[in-house]
Amino acid sequence: KNQVEQSPQSLIILEGKNCTLQCNYTVSPFSNLRWYKQDTGRGPVSLTIMTFSENTKSNGRYTATLDADTKQSSLHITASQLSDSASYICVVSASGRFGSPAGNKLTFGGGTRVLVKP
Amino acid sequence: KAGVTQTPRYLIKTRGQQVTLSCSPISGHRSVSWYQQTPGQGLQFLFEYFSETQRNKGNFPGRFSGRQFSNSRSEMNVSTLELGDSALYLCASSLGSYSPNTEAFFGQGTRLTVV
Repeated sequence: KNQVEQSPQSLIILEGKNCTLQCNYTVSPFSNLRWYKQDTGRGPVSLTIMTFSENTKSNGRYTATLDADTKQSSLHITASQLSDSASYICVVSASGRFGSPAGNKLTFGGGTRVLVKP
Repeated sequence: KAGVTQTPRYLIKTRGQQVTLSCSPISGHRSVSWYQQTPGQGLQFLFEYFSETQRNKGNFPGRFSGRQFSNSRSEMNVSTLELGDSALYLCASSLGSYSPNTEAFFGQGTRLTVV
């Protein structure tokens, strides 16, 4: 069964500090892994998307890593800001037949809720 | 370029009623996917439509159905509403191509409350 596990479930950090979120997955065959940021009551917004051959990708203060061998990913937030308070969701997409992504049938992690305090 | 538009933003319905939610994808996007988000279950995939055809389906009962029109706009219908259907319903649009880097863009969601 395809699964995506995220840790921690929640964390509180002080403004200006760094933090790292973890994502472990068992989705197979793997197509890509995405990190989304979701503010309360709003739709998720894409931060990064990585395929099998990519092991790091940055988007401003957000840096995602991917280890396809261990099936682990991390999202590092540098110099956190109050606006980083949100849920961060790890999403993994499986390949369909002949290597094509299985449409948009994604497997979602439960998310990590981040609260940045001044 | 306009984003993904979902209407209405909020809905209150009573048990047993039916509801229709609408999603207008980004111009040029042919794939629309629907998701249910609840505090207990997180985000769960409902179904995906591509060029007016259902391409993928999640594990939801038949009370949940959808369709896509020729202009790629999509509707989702839930019949015989239950209290447990209360959730944030999100749709995402994408080009629908088979590239692994195909990006999916989410709408703001429709918050459905069943009383």
